[in-house]
Amino acid sequence: ELKVEQNPLFLSMQEGKNYTIYCNYSTTSDRLYWYRQDPGKSLESLFVLLSNGAVKQEGRLMASLDTKARLSTLHITAAVHDLSATYFCAVVWRGSNYKLTFGKGTLLTVNP
Amino acid sequence: DGGITQSPKYLFRKEGQNVTLSCEQNLNHDAMYWYRQDPGQGLRLIYYSQIVNDFQKGDIAEGYSVSREKKESFPLTVTSAQKNPTAFYLCASSISLEETQYFGPGTRLLVL
Repeated sequence: ELKVEQNPLFLSMQEGKNYTIYCNYSTTSDRLYWYRQDPGKSLESLFVLLSNGAVKQEGRLMASLDTKARLSTLHITAAVHDLSATYFCAVVWRGSNYKLTFGKGTLLTVNP
Repeated sequence: DGGITQSPKYLFRKEGQNVTLSCEQNLNHDAMYWYRQDPGQGLRLIYYSQIVNDFQKGDIAEGYSVSREKKESFPLTVTSAQKNPTAFYLCASSISLEETQYFGPGTRLLVL
């Protein structure tokens, strides 16, 4: 059974600071997604990572994938208040018929 | 303007009542999905459909039923057998099971 663990689950940081969210998973992956969710809203796809060593960047967010370590990271650079949201990683594995398995999410609060 | 619509935005269920949540997409996607989200949790898969007239149980199908009579539509019925239905329900679709899922705006179900 595929398990996905995120940490930390809660993250409070000051504007201008850097931090990293970690996503570990228990089996091989075919692809890994990072999603953002604002309170009471739907999920927005941020990144899809397909292969070992993949790195994607959009603005102040950068995601990377290490398939050998079964680890993905979401790095936040010089955080701003607009980044406050819940961030989910989700893993797809052909062994589970390509179903998305989600982590519990990281609630990020960026304080002025 | 392509996208996924869900209705209603809020739904109230009385004890012993079945209720149906609507999900429609005009993206010409073959695959559609239903997820349940509880506070502070990741998403859990209820049912998914790879193609019209076919659907599969996800991880938490008990107390729910679906149909897929048209490519564009994948309604979810929450039956009286679901004893704890209060949650945020998200519908998603993708070109195929292997491809990125896109999410609708969600329906919040509350029990009276």
